[in-house]
Parts: sequence; structure tokens; C-alpha cells
Amino acid sequence: AQSVAQPEDQVNVAEGNPLTVKCTYSVSGNPYLFWYVQYPNRGLQFLLKYITGDNLVKGSYGFEAEFNKSQTSFHLKKPSALVSDSALYFCAVTPWGNNRLAFGKGNQVVVIP
Amino acid sequence: DTGVSQDPRHKITKRGQNVTFRCDPISEHNRLYWYRQTLGQGPEFLTYFQNEAQLEKSRLLSDRFSAERPKGSFSTLEIQRTEQGDSAMYLCASSFTKTSGRATYNEQFFGPGTRLTVL
Repeated sequence: AQSVAQPEDQVNVAEGNPLTVKCTYSVSGNPYLFWYVQYPNRGLQFLLKYITGDNLVKGSYGFEAEFNKSQTSFHLKKPSALVSDSALYFCAVTPWGNNRLAFGKGNQVVVIP
Repeated sequence: DTGVSQDPRHKITKRGQNVTFRCDPISEHNRLYWYRQTLGQGPEFLTYFQNEAQLEKSRLLSDRFSAERPKGSFSTLEIQRTEQGDSAMYLCASSFTKTSGRATYNEQFFGPGTRLTVL
């Protein structure tokens, strides 16, 4: 069965500094990988995905993520964090041919002005 | 608004009562998913439909839970004889996946959720 680990409960970063949210995964076969963001009282919003191809994936709002097969990681990054990036971030994985997303427990990102 | 919608947004019920939630997916999406999210956790998969066919169910979906998508458009999730452990956010998502020729996999778009509180 597939699983995702997001090891840090909360990530604090100063506005303007680089932001990294870590994700490692476990899956049989090749993975599809996703990042979602959740704001209070709102549904999950899609940020970016890795299906195949270039290991560096660019997504919405200036976010990007790098797929590393040997380390089974898919860390989310943003070069310069904004206060408005403060939210709950979820990494998710599903193996090729499957349809159920397995989510990590989420990381609360707090961007300090 | 052309996103995924869910109704109601909040539901408070007493233990033992039945509840039903509705999800309206994005109109051209052929797949519809239900997830459950409890506080401090990520969403957990419950079930999914391709058009009107329910193709997969999680072991989390006990026999008190039933989901339908009768015309391949909106879906309902019913919980019978609710228990306090059913209290959670129930999320619906939809996606379009091409199933003929070269298969594709597209991201799931989520609705705002229905928050269920069982007293």
C-alpha cells in the first residue's frame, strides 16, 4: 500500500526567505505525486503534480517540487515566501494505474512578516 | 462557480440518525471520489466512481456507509446509524481521466467539504 511521510508538523519561515516542505513516499511501482494546499474553511487546492518527465515540476503561485526517485522524495519549494503562503500543505501519492490518493498528515506553514 | 460543490457545508446530528451528503462535480469530469478527513490528519480515501459505476471502496467504508452516482453526475454519500467516530470532514473530488487510447491521469479537484458532527 502507498504511504506518504511529512516529517515536520510545522514549518516556520520569515517572509522573503526560501520555503521548503518535505515529503517522502512509499509506493509499489512508479508514482504519481501531488501537492495540495488547504486554507481554513476551504477545500484542498491543487498546486502541482509529477507524472513523468522532468524531475523539477513548476506549479501555481511560484511553487515548485523536485522528484527524487533514489531518495523517494518530492519536496515542495518556493524561493521567496509570502505571508499569504501560510496554510496547511499536503503531499499525496498514487501508483500508476491506481485511483486512490494517499495523503500525508500535512504540514502547517507559518510565514512570519 | 464551476468548481466542485458540496451540500450541506455543516451537519450536526445525534448518534443513531442517518445523514446524506451531496456532491456536484465539475461537469465534464468522469471520475468522482469521496474522502474523509479528521482533525490533524490528511484525507483518507473512501470510494470512487467512474461515471455511474462505483469501482473501488476502501475498508474504511463500513456497511453503514453507502455512496451512489445514479446518472454519472452528482453523487450522494449516506451514513446510517451515525456514531461519534463518524465525526469528520467529508471531502468530494472529481477528475477527468481518459480511458481509451493512451491513458492519462489528471489531478483531482476538491470541494469545500461537509463537516459532520455527531453528538
